[in-house]
Amino acid sequence: DIVMTQSPDSLAVSLGERATINCKSSQSVFHYSDNKNYVVWYQQKAEQPPKLLIYWASTRESGVPDRFSGSGSGTDFTLTISSLQAEDVAVYYCQQHYSTPLTFGGGTKVEIK
Amino acid sequence: QVQLQQSGPGLLRPSQTLSLTCVISGDSVSSNSAAWSWIRQSPSRGLEWLARTYYRSKWNYDYAVSVRGRITISPDTSKNQFSLQLNSVTPEDTAVYYCARISFNTTPVWGQGTMVSVSS
Repeated sequence: DIVMTQSPDSLAVSLGERATINCKSSQSVFHYSDNKNYVVWYQQKAEQPPKLLIYWASTRESGVPDRFSGSGSGTDFTLTISSLQAEDVAVYYCQQHYSTPLTFGGGTKVEIK
Repeated sequence: QVQLQQSGPGLLRPSQTLSLTCVISGDSVSSNSAAWSWIRQSPSRGLEWLARTYYRSKWNYDYAVSVRGRITISPDTSKNQFSLQLNSVTPEDTAVYYCARISFNTTPVWGQGTMVSVSS
């Protein structure tokens, strides 16, 4: 199984400041045949399903503010919120869908400092 | 725009069978580029993938080891939906259950979630 390790577990950032969340996979999730990394980032608020932010490690979902960006390849990935807004308070998860079982990181709780 | 609409009971007794259905709109359960999963979320286990089905000339099925032997995922092409059946539930199966489309060449889409409680 591919283990997805997220860090930190929680993060407190001032409004307008940068938030950075890391995700490390226990093996590469890069698919050579189509040059894609099969990593997804989600945002989850209380009592709601996960909301798609980023797929293929760095492609922003339509409608997601451009302050959200994803980067990385192979085994190391990052979600960056360039200027934290109040509505960004949530738990963020990474997920790999390179192979089954599909696996998720443990989540990073983002709060306002 | 792809949407997934879940349905199913929210309260079960131990040893009963959990049955959930996910109706697909905007895509086809038998699409050659999609894969359809059930995922659950609980405070103790986090987000846990349970099962997947997809059609590539034939139907394929994958199951999580943690529930293998108790779980079945079934596509229904006539109703464009897929379902989950989990047998012999225990309180440890209490969770929010989600259906989702997660595959290589499509953007992930999730259902709204169904809270399932198992209690005597």
